[in-house]
Amino acid sequence: SQQGEEDPQALSIQEGENATMNCSYKTSINNLQWYRQNSGRGLVHLILIRSNEREKHSGRLRVTLDTSKKSSSLLITASRAADTASYFCATDEKGAQKLVFGQGTRLTINP
Amino acid sequence: GAGVSQSPSNKVTEKGKDVELRCDPISGHTALYWYRQSLGQGLEFLIYFQGNSAPDKSGLPSDRFSAERTGGSVSTLTIQRTQQEDSAVYLCASSADSSGNTIYFGEGSWLTVV
Repeated sequence: SQQGEEDPQALSIQEGENATMNCSYKTSINNLQWYRQNSGRGLVHLILIRSNEREKHSGRLRVTLDTSKKSSSLLITASRAADTASYFCATDEKGAQKLVFGQGTRLTINP
Repeated sequence: GAGVSQSPSNKVTEKGKDVELRCDPISGHTALYWYRQSLGQGLEFLIYFQGNSAPDKSGLPSDRFSAERTGGSVSTLTIQRTQQEDSAVYLCASSADSSGNTIYFGEGSWLTVV
């Protein structure tokens, strides 16, 4: 089964609102990454947070990591129509180098 | 090249035929991944190559699937005797190293088995 599971599976909000997506995982990790996918093709890296970090910012993105709960959240502030996409979290388990992805959250920003 | 390159972009094949999908990673990247994504679904890990180490094949769904990486660069994913359930986008990605590095994806190869 997939290591990461995103929640919710789909999210629809109005432009300008904030969007929050969550990711849970099962095993100890080295780091957690968030990716974005438009139109079912290649994914684009957004942000990486290491297991010893609790929060990280990049522009309108804020990522938190709670290793005690094995969960992470991605917050997109002041959403724009162009943020409409699928968002995936990915983890690499300690001792295993492969990167495992969750099922993704489909985000729709309504103008 | 500047990015990960995959070919073909789209492939329609008849059930039972073999297909080969090619991935050309970013120059100098030692790690290479193959994933499969069915419509509207998440990414399913298939196989991972890291340098000269034995590949992690734990995600290959059956013995009809195989992959190789020649000279530590270009990789080919081969699907033998294709089935309709093999229809999906096959995504390749590479990274400069193993754990802790960003991976860069190609645009994928959309496979349709009819």
